Amino acid sequence: ETGVTQTPRHLVMGMTNKKSLKCEQHLGHNAMYWYKQSAKKPLELMFVYSLEERVENNSVPSRFSPECPNSSHLFLHLHTLQPEDSALYLCASSQSLTGTQYFGAGTRLSVL
Amino acid sequence: GIQVEQSPPDLILQEGANSTLRCNFSDSVNNLQWFHQNPWGQLINLFYIPSGTKQNGRLSATTVATERYSLLYISSSQTTDSGVYFCAGNSGGSNYKLTFGKGTLLTVNP
Repeated sequence: ETGVTQTPRHLVMGMTNKKSLKCEQHLGHNAMYWYKQSAKKPLELMFVYSLEERVENNSVPSRFSPECPNSSHLFLHLHTLQPEDSALYLCASSQSLTGTQYFGAGTRLSVL
Repeated sequence: GIQVEQSPPDLILQEGANSTLRCNFSDSVNNLQWFHQNPWGQLINLFYIPSGTKQNGRLSATTVATERYSLLYISSSQTTDSGVYFCAGNSGGSNYKLTFGKGTLLTVNP
């Protein structure tokens, strides 16, 4: 148990669906992150939030829309995804932007 | 951004053996972290080690910042050590923007 909880653990969606991934951290951290892990590729940073403000959008397509309503919660809203978006999506948090990052168990997404 | 190279890409060990994993960076980093990803996808932070040496049980890590590399040592390996080991470091002027290597896939056989 890392203190970072992601739901759902698995998600299958069609290209026209809209869904959301949820991340919650119970560590009192101030920074939260979304990463994408595709097969045979390194983890790719998608978004970074610090104190609920987005500080990084790593050239992510607009079909991925993050939301950070407070420092404990982070969402990733998905719409009109493509099959190549199928991947493991990981959420992480850290006390500060330069601190140790703690990861959730991930959401394994399949886009049909 | 920086390039992160990990070696070896794959490693198979018998239980009880020792191993050394290496991570090279193309530029200096000051936010270097090692992670273990288990077969179910969970990433666990092992070390935050921008420089120097740290030990945690059977694991230890050393970073030589001036030479842009880090080593992870696993002693007396166990089957539960199996998984992928990643190193990551910051990129450019953003200390928080971690760039990950492709990982070392470790399999420890009983």
